Parts: sequence; structure tokens; C-alpha cells
Amino acid sequence: NAGVTQTPKFQVLKTGQSMTLQCAQDMNHNSMYWYRQDPGMGLRLIYYSASEGTTDKGEVPNGYNVSRLNKREFSLRLESAAPSQTSVYFCAIVQGVGMNTEAFFGQGTRLTVV
Amino acid sequence: AQSVTQPDIHITVSEGASLELRCNYSYGATPYLFWYVQSPGQGLQLLLKYFSGDTLVQGIKGFEAEFKRSQSSFNLRKPSVHWSDAAEYFCAVADFSDTDKLIFGTGTRLQVFP
Repeated sequence: NAGVTQTPKFQVLKTGQSMTLQCAQDMNHNSMYWYRQDPGMGLRLIYYSASEGTTDKGEVPNGYNVSRLNKREFSLRLESAAPSQTSVYFCAIVQGVGMNTEAFFGQGTRLTVV
Repeated sequence: AQSVTQPDIHITVSEGASLELRCNYSYGATPYLFWYVQSPGQGLQLLLKYFSGDTLVQGIKGFEAEFKRSQSSFNLRKPSVHWSDAAEYFCAVADFSDTDKLIFGTGTRLQVFP
């Protein structure tokens, strides 16, 4: 989707390996989110960042760390991947104020942990 | 805390039939409500949103939703479903004035028969 770029699109990890999912936005907005999507569970919030330099835990933060070093980028790190982290990960931003508020999503990262 | 419930995991309709997807929310103040659609293997696309004003909201692709405060509901409707509407639909609630989170329901998968 316009303005939100996620990398990589696909990844296979072995249990115990680490990796970082990258998210970058060119829309100059404050709020960024990381979600995971699992069948029957919808999208669950992992971490979010209301502004540069701040991060907060969402619904399912265990096993993840995040970093918001600048306004543009918000990365999600798996220090020691587990099969339970097999999922599709989405980065999102929030744009606008009031009636113009809208969330934009990246295309997703499909992660498989074996 | 805010929450969203989509009671129907899977719905099947015939092409041309009417559709209603249910969404109930839990939130203390006036909520910001969204409906998103996700086609297989794709990201999320915004269908419509509600913040205030007219409780019947028109969206893209012929969808509409009605906000009913007394029932804490924001159901999505379409008068005549097309085969291309087969997808997964997510309702979401947000509080941008406080915690700045976007919370999703578990989704409803729509199947359309010819």
C-alpha cells in the first residue's frame, strides 16, 4: 500500500535464529504499529509507537522487541524465533486527524519458523 | 479497554443476495470504527469508517455500515453481493485521543456461491 514498505516479504527461519522485520513510511506520520495475523485470530497488536523514540506493548509482545530510531522507520526483532511465531506480520501507520483519520498497511511479511 | 467482537467466523451467501456482517465493540466514549477487507494473499484495504455525525456510513465497493450506539454495533451491509466480494472482513476500533491503538476483531470470512 502506498507509503508503507515492509521487508522482507517472505522469510523462513530455523528455531532459535534471529531476524529483524523492517518497516518504513514516507508519509511523515507519528503512529506506527506492528501486528501479526493468524487464522481465526484476526490481527493482534504486538507493539506500537505513538511517536519517534517511544514504544509500547500491545496485546502479544512476548518474544519480540521493537525499535523506533526515527520517525520514518519502525523495526520488529525476533531474538530467538519459535514455531509459534510463524505468522503474517503487518506494519501500519495512522494518518490524519478526526474524520480524515485512516490506517495504512504494508503488504505483509510471511514468516515461517521451522 | 477497547475490544471488538465479530461473532461470525464464516459466512456463505449466494451471488446477488444481501449481506450483513456483524461487529460489536466495547468502548467508553464515542469510538472511531473501521471496516477493512483482505483478499487472499493481500494486505488490508479500508472499506469505510465512522467517527461522528450520520450513523449510516457509505464506503467503497457498494458497502455501507450503520453505527448503533444503543447496541454497541457497527454492522457492515451490502444489498447485492458479487463473487469478487469473497474475502475476509475485519472490524476495528481505535482511540486516537488516548492510547493511540487500533484494535481488530477476529475477522469474518465471506464465501460467495454462484
